[in-house]
Amino acid sequence: GAVVSQHPSWVICKSGTSVKIECRSLDFQATTMFWYRQFPKQSLMLMATSNEGSKATYEQGVEKDKFLINHASLTLSTLTVTSAHPEDSSFYICSATRPERAKNIQYFGAGTRLSVL
Amino acid sequence: KQEVTQIPAALSVPEGENLVLNCSFTDSAIYNLQWFRQDPGKGLTSLLLIQSSQREQTSGRLNASLDKSSGRSTLYIAASQPGDSATYLCAVMNNAGNMLTFGGGTRLMVKP
Repeated sequence: GAVVSQHPSWVICKSGTSVKIECRSLDFQATTMFWYRQFPKQSLMLMATSNEGSKATYEQGVEKDKFLINHASLTLSTLTVTSAHPEDSSFYICSATRPERAKNIQYFGAGTRLSVL
Repeated sequence: KQEVTQIPAALSVPEGENLVLNCSFTDSAIYNLQWFRQDPGKGLTSLLLIQSSQREQTSGRLNASLDKSSGRSTLYIAASQPGDSATYLCAVMNNAGNMLTFGGGTRLMVKP
């Protein structure tokens, strides 16, 4: 297999608080992980590409100081939404690639639904 | 910049119908194209992946075709079932193999 796990699956928080979302590759080492955001009834938009041991590469329009990404190990990347506001409410999905196999295949997590009150 | 468009945005059909979902992309320099299924509030399930050198892929009742030169792909679903109800997403991988661009999806409802 190629299992990618996200935690939590759903989180509700108050405006102004920070939320951390974890993305783990359970049965393989992932040198590259990707973070996507999906608003209701819209498609997935790439937020950033995360490489183990280096700084994430953010897409245009994504605030790196608001969406902190850490990829400290080959099996874990985290996305922290700092000072969350209601407009940050969305579905966040991560994916990972297996370097020892086809580099272009992304394995997706089940997603995290963030609701900011 | 790659843009991926899916038509129709929503589709409702009676059970048993054969149907076609369309995907078009603006930059034909792609590495591969992939079709995903997404159930409400859930993650993505990969259905079919077509490499740029391939013309089609089949899995059970699903058949996906790729015409790279014209920037089009279709997903054909045979004998649709209520369990096929979901959102279907088309995504293209860039030539460098490091960026996936998604279409807006087609929300399919198959009525019993």
